[in-house]
Amino acid sequence: KAGVTQTPRYLIKTRGQQVTLSCSPISGHRSVSWYQQTPGQGLQFLFEYFSETQRNKGNFPGRFSGRQFSNSRSEMNVSTLELGDSALYLCASSFRGGNTEAFFGQGTRLTVV
Amino acid sequence: QQQVKQSPQSLIVQKGGISIINCAYENTAFDYFPWYQQFPGKGPALLIAIRPDVSEKKEGRFTISFNKSAKQFSLHIMDSQPGDSATYFCAAGTGFQKLVFGTGTRLLVSP
Repeated sequence: KAGVTQTPRYLIKTRGQQVTLSCSPISGHRSVSWYQQTPGQGLQFLFEYFSETQRNKGNFPGRFSGRQFSNSRSEMNVSTLELGDSALYLCASSFRGGNTEAFFGQGTRLTVV
Repeated sequence: QQQVKQSPQSLIVQKGGISIINCAYENTAFDYFPWYQQFPGKGPALLIAIRPDVSEKKEGRFTISFNKSAKQFSLHIMDSQPGDSATYFCAAGTGFQKLVFGTGTRLLVSP
């Protein structure tokens, strides 16, 4: 069974640009959550999608958005990039979120210059 | 009430020793408590998880102890090895709510 796949693994962008990150969940999983992790910091929750609907949202500005497709694959978009957006972006998939097992991808390392 | 408090922030243990990381929660609706292990540059990996119907779960050298009345749970790593050096996160979940993570514990096992 394939794990959670995130693409790309590494990305370098310039301030002001926008970026789209992709996450393919484990087959059969309908929940995808996104997290931001900066060096030495914990996991900051961005949002969760379940069956194409945003079900939970963290405390991030509107520049951060996401969506989920009918095959459960998810994308997150960050517009008008700032230096502080440099981080490891992680997605986690689970069967239905909440109290079911969640598995993380390897993450996308975004560097904003 | 949605927070999970994790301690210590960092921990140094000698090879062969026992590593203990603690977490506390307030929301009594939580009914799922996983632990994750993360190596630098990698995504967190699910290590072991427990539900409140049992007080202890053991998988190899890793044990979760759960105290429902105290609203606390802990991870014990027996015979700690240098390869266990990583950051550990506890979490708690319920129903369709998002998993709530602790702030992480950086473990260093000295040779």
